Amino acid sequence: GDSVTQMEGPVTLSEEAFLTINCTYTATGYPSLFWYVQYPGEGLQLLLKATKADDKGSNKGFEATYRKETTSFHLEKGSVQVSDSAVYFCALRMNSGGYQKVTFGTGTKLQVIP
Amino acid sequence: EAQVTQNPRYLITVTGKKLTVTCSQNMNHEYMSWYRQDPGLGLRQIYYSMNVEVTDKGDVPEGYKVSRKEKRNFPLILESPSPNQTSLYFCASSPQGYGGGANYEQYFGPGTRLTVT
Repeated sequence: GDSVTQMEGPVTLSEEAFLTINCTYTATGYPSLFWYVQYPGEGLQLLLKATKADDKGSNKGFEATYRKETTSFHLEKGSVQVSDSAVYFCALRMNSGGYQKVTFGTGTKLQVIP
Repeated sequence: EAQVTQNPRYLITVTGKKLTVTCSQNMNHEYMSWYRQDPGLGLRQIYYSMNVEVTDKGDVPEGYKVSRKEKRNFPLILESPSPNQTSLYFCASSPQGYGGGANYEQYFGPGTRLTVT
């Protein structure tokens, strides 16, 4: 079946450091890819998405590019802030025989220290 | 305000006592889904619904039931809860089910923390 693999956390960075969170996937077709963020005590919210190969999603300084050749969707940010501390989830979603399932990675906790 | 609501937010119950967690969305979304979140396992899909009266199993459906009689509501039913169903549960909705629905993001509720003793 489909799967999403994320780098294990927690990741601890100093403010203004560069962030990369790796995400790779396996799927039988061509999924849409998403990054969601979960702040403490809250539900998930969309951070960015890409729906086809070579698309780049971006939001709030975060970016990720849909790489079909490496089946990856790595999340990057050039300069993190304390307010970026959260858990980040990579997810894929695709149609299969007219139905849809959604598969999430295990999540990566990011802690940014001043 | 566009939102997904879940009730209750917190629930402590005993093994075998039937319970229902409600989920409602006010965005006229076709697709709705339930997830459970467990440490080290991320979110796992329990059931989803492409539209009214259409539901299907996710990756971990055992011990759960759902129904979708109206577009806005998608309750999760635990007929006989067990301690291994202690978890944080999220409901989510998305604009479209069939067709290009896979391109759409999901909107999540605030979560329901369930403890089964």
